[in-house]
Amino acid sequence: GAVVSQHPSRVICKSGTSVKIECRSLDFQATTMFWYRQFPKKSLMLMATSNEGSKATYEQGVEKDKFLINHASLTLSTLTVTSAHPEDSSFYICSASGQGADFEQYFGPGTRLTVT
Amino acid sequence: GENVEQHPSTLSVQEGDSAVIKCTYSDSASNYFPWYKQELGKRPQLIIDIRSNVGEKKDQRIAVTLNKTAKHFSLHITETQPEDSAVYFCAATLISGSARQLTFGSGTQLTVLP
Repeated sequence: GAVVSQHPSRVICKSGTSVKIECRSLDFQATTMFWYRQFPKKSLMLMATSNEGSKATYEQGVEKDKFLINHASLTLSTLTVTSAHPEDSSFYICSASGQGADFEQYFGPGTRLTVT
Repeated sequence: GENVEQHPSTLSVQEGDSAVIKCTYSDSASNYFPWYKQELGKRPQLIIDIRSNVGEKKDQRIAVTLNKTAKHFSLHITETQPEDSAVYFCAATLISGSARQLTFGSGTQLTVLP
């Protein structure tokens, strides 16, 4: 299957700083990427959908100025958590979907963010 | 929008027994229903999926059934093994020419007791 990578896998930052998470599709062109947030023992909560070259579509309740998403190329999307707070600590997972008949979403390994 | 409910939230079975997880969805237009297995701290892994033009699909010890009329689908795992222990998520979406967001169920923590 297709491979999606995420970097970093773990990050610890101080309150008030910004953190950037990268999501890359390694062997296919991802026309659409999705960003999820997952709390412990909870389901995946969709934060936003990004299509290459256009602005991301955010889900209700997700602050677009706090969670900046960029999808500048067909293989890279970034999520920047700005002015991080401890409540932003979570597991962030991206998924990527390319053109084709299956539209399967391929998930990245996730990024564990801890804000101190 | 789509709403997916999943039951049970936790399930413990003895090794070798079968496990069944059930999901219902609200949007009758949804036509693609994947199941994911997620181990602690890892990414969700697609284990099986079904499209609305079939009622059942099987892959070795794993099977999924779909009832479009009732809008529910189920995951069946037979001859369970300890390595099947994980959280399982169902999802639903409409595939219609472009990638669409998945709506996930709340997850089922499956524990297979040796």
